[in-house]
Amino acid sequence: GAVVSQHPSWVICKSGTSVKIECRSLDFQATTMFWYRQFPKQSLMLMATSNEGSKATYEQGVEKDKFLINHASLTLSTLTVTSAHPEDSSFYICSAREVWARATEAFFGQGTRLTVV
Amino acid sequence: GEDVEQSLFLSVREGDSSVINCTYTDSSSTYLYWYKQEPGAGLQLLTYIFSNMDMKQDQRLTVLLNKKDKHLSLRIADTQTGDSAIYFCAELDNFNKFYFGSGTKLNVKP
Repeated sequence: GAVVSQHPSWVICKSGTSVKIECRSLDFQATTMFWYRQFPKQSLMLMATSNEGSKATYEQGVEKDKFLINHASLTLSTLTVTSAHPEDSSFYICSAREVWARATEAFFGQGTRLTVV
Repeated sequence: GEDVEQSLFLSVREGDSSVINCTYTDSSSTYLYWYKQEPGAGLQLLTYIFSNMDMKQDQRLTVLLNKKDKHLSLRIADTQTGDSAIYFCAELDNFNKFYFGSGTKLNVKP
């Protein structure tokens, strides 16, 4: 199957700083990428849908100014957690869908564990 | 979003079959999925079923879909200790968005 890579796998940052997480499709082009957040022992919650070359669509309750999403190319989407606080600590996972692929073919990255201290 | 529900825990002995259940609310779901997540890792797609099917088998995995009751199950035959993980069911809605259940933690005892 196709490979989606996230970087970094884990990051620790100080409260008030910003953190950028990258999501790359390594062997395919993705017009659409999704960003999820997973709290401990809970399910994945869709945060936003990222479309190449256009603004991301955020789910209800997700702060656009706090979680900046940029999908500048067909292989890269970034999520920037701005002015991070301890409550932003979580596991963030992206998924990507190939251009012209069936809806079933969405592949997930390995996730990024963010800890804000 | 849509509601997708799963039981939280399942414990089985090695060699037994495991059955993980899931219910969902969106009757217009096009595809339903099962993902596996090992500790600290991302999601691994195990299998999926199109909504007009009622069964799909893939080696040790059998997916059953009861569309009338909006019930999905995953049966793992001959469960091994390496199958210990959290299993998520998910549905794909008409807007191509995934909605995940809370996950079922499968514990396989030797």
